[in-house]
Amino acid sequence: GAGVSQSPSNKVTEKGKDVELRCDPISGHTALYWYRQSLGQGLEFLIYFQGNSAPDKSGLPSDRFSAERTGGSVSTLTIQRTQQEDSAVYLCASSSDRGGNTIYFGEGSWLTVV
Amino acid sequence: KQEVTQIPAALSVPEGENLVLNCSFTDSAIYNLQWFRQDPGKGLTSLLLIQSSQREQTSGRLNASLDKSSGRSTLYIAASQPGDSATYLCAVKESSGDKLTFGTGTRLAVRP
Repeated sequence: GAGVSQSPSNKVTEKGKDVELRCDPISGHTALYWYRQSLGQGLEFLIYFQGNSAPDKSGLPSDRFSAERTGGSVSTLTIQRTQQEDSAVYLCASSSDRGGNTIYFGEGSWLTVV
Repeated sequence: KQEVTQIPAALSVPEGENLVLNCSFTDSAIYNLQWFRQDPGKGLTSLLLIQSSQREQTSGRLNASLDKSSGRSTLYIAASQPGDSATYLCAVKESSGDKLTFGTGTRLAVRP
């Protein structure tokens, strides 16, 4: 596609339920990032994938959060047993390599836990 | 740990003014610095990317400078327009890693 695509764009879920957020990076981009943006806060790094290398999971806030990237393309961020503090915009981004190239963001998935 | 600060947090200017947004970072060992724009309810749009070896980049009415040794970057917007109203974020990529560290942004309002 022309840009980074994320789905769902909006998700309301009950506390305790699991959610899956999907990211389709720009075709050919080997680097993929997940960030979280809470209301009034800056962007918080969650996880980074580069090609076939082991992902950098250093930003995942708890073991309820996990992410995978299948076939080096589509990525899924899973939040188990959601809590109200998980409510945020989850932003996915991709770039063409791990070097100095521009990073392109999707529109985000807005998650509300009630 | 890299920390990125943006000043001011918010700015309101009349249309036509030239303005400067500031970004500072604590660890000068960066690979590059990128400026983004975020409109309400939207994702981030990349504006300018400056490699660590560069001093500035220009795109239209936007000019970004980088002084790596002092840990500072500025985004200069010439002849501001109401359509420039958005939150502007800077982000640094460190030489030692792959993730971007973001500032908290400057919220700009350009009054007609």
